[in-house]
Amino acid sequence: GAVVSQHPSRVICKSGTSVKIECRSLDFQATTMFWYRQFPKQSLMLMATSNEGSKATYEQGVEKDKFLINHASLTLSTLTVTSAHPEDSSFYICSARATIQETQYFGPGTRLLVL
Amino acid sequence: AQKITQTQPGMFVQEKEAVTLDCTYDTSDPSYGLFWYKQPSSGEMIFLIYQGSYDQQNATEGRYSLNFQKARKSANLVISASQLGDSAMYFCAMTATGFQKLVFGTGTRLLVSP
Repeated sequence: GAVVSQHPSRVICKSGTSVKIECRSLDFQATTMFWYRQFPKQSLMLMATSNEGSKATYEQGVEKDKFLINHASLTLSTLTVTSAHPEDSSFYICSARATIQETQYFGPGTRLLVL
Repeated sequence: AQKITQTQPGMFVQEKEAVTLDCTYDTSDPSYGLFWYKQPSSGEMIFLIYQGSYDQQNATEGRYSLNFQKARKSANLVISASQLGDSAMYFCAMTATGFQKLVFGTGTRLLVSP
């Protein structure tokens, strides 16, 4: 299957700082990337859909200015959590989908802890 | 809108036995895709198997098979010859027209015992 990497895998930061998470498709071109958030013992919650070269589409209730998404190339999308607060602590996971495929392949996820 | 229902919060199975994880879906779109993902404790989401709504045959991938019953709107995952490494959360998901968003079920935690 296709490989998607995510960096960093874990991050601890102070309240008020910004954190950038990278998502890369390593062996295919991803025209669409997705960002999810997962709380403990819950399912994945889609935050936004990102198409290469265009603005991300955010799900209802997700703050655009809080969670900045950039999809500058066919292999890289970034999620920046701006002015992070403890309630932003969560597991963030990205996925990528190529044009001709329907399957989304997921990265390994990033555990964010905001102190 | 699409909806996925997984009614089994947890399942137990002995090693080497087969287990079926239930999944029902709801959509008004004639074209859709059904997926199963495995999430071990490490957190990564591992793609297991895919079934398209127009596929005539049930999908199979090694020890995984998808029992697709279109009239019943069910897409159960069958794992044959369970292994200890199969212990994980399993999520059923679907996409519909446009194949953009994945809608996930609440998941089933599978525990394989020796």
